[in-house]
Amino acid sequence: GDSVTQMEGPVTLSEEACLTINCTYTATGYPSLFWYVQYPGEGLQLLLKATKADDKGSNKGFEATYRKETTSFHLEKGSVQVSDSAVYFCALSDRTSYDKVIFGPGTSLSVIP
Amino acid sequence: EPEVTQTPSHQVTQMGQEVILRCVPISNHLYFYWYRQILGQKVEFLVSFYNNEISEKSEIFDDQFSVERPDGSNFTLKIRSTKLEDSAMYFCASVLGLSYNEQFFGPGTRLTVL
Repeated sequence: GDSVTQMEGPVTLSEEACLTINCTYTATGYPSLFWYVQYPGEGLQLLLKATKADDKGSNKGFEATYRKETTSFHLEKGSVQVSDSAVYFCALSDRTSYDKVIFGPGTSLSVIP
Repeated sequence: EPEVTQTPSHQVTQMGQEVILRCVPISNHLYFYWYRQILGQKVEFLVSFYNNEISEKSEIFDDQFSVERPDGSNFTLKIRSTKLEDSAMYFCASVLGLSYNEQFFGPGTRLTVL
């Protein structure tokens, strides 16, 4: 079945450092891809999405590009802030399966001043 | 901006008791979902629901679980006889229709089974 793999961390960075969280997926069809963020004690928020190959999703300085050839959707940010400390989940939505969302294991990010 | 709401935010129950978790999806959405996240683990799909029927369920969603849309606005998840391992955060989600891609998630209900 469909699945998502991502680097699990935890990742600790200094403020203003560059961030990359790797994500790869396995899917039989043409999924939509997402990054969700979960701040401490809170629910899931959609950070960005891409619905087809070569689409780039972006939000709040984060970017990810849907790479079909490498089945990847890596999350990047050029300069992280302390407020970016959270758990980041890569996910896909399978249109052949009532759009259920399949999540990766999550990557915990801590940004220190 | 419309949002998915869930009640209660935290539910504590004794093992073997029944619990009902409630969700109010966004009003014009047609597809509804429940997910769970055991502490420190990934978010797992439980069930999807459309047109008053379960459209898909995971292997986690056994006979102890049921879902219902009793009144056209609420969407409930019932666990008939809770076990310790049911302790988790439960998220409800809804989407306008298939291929609209973005599921809107509620804030979650933390269920603690003692």
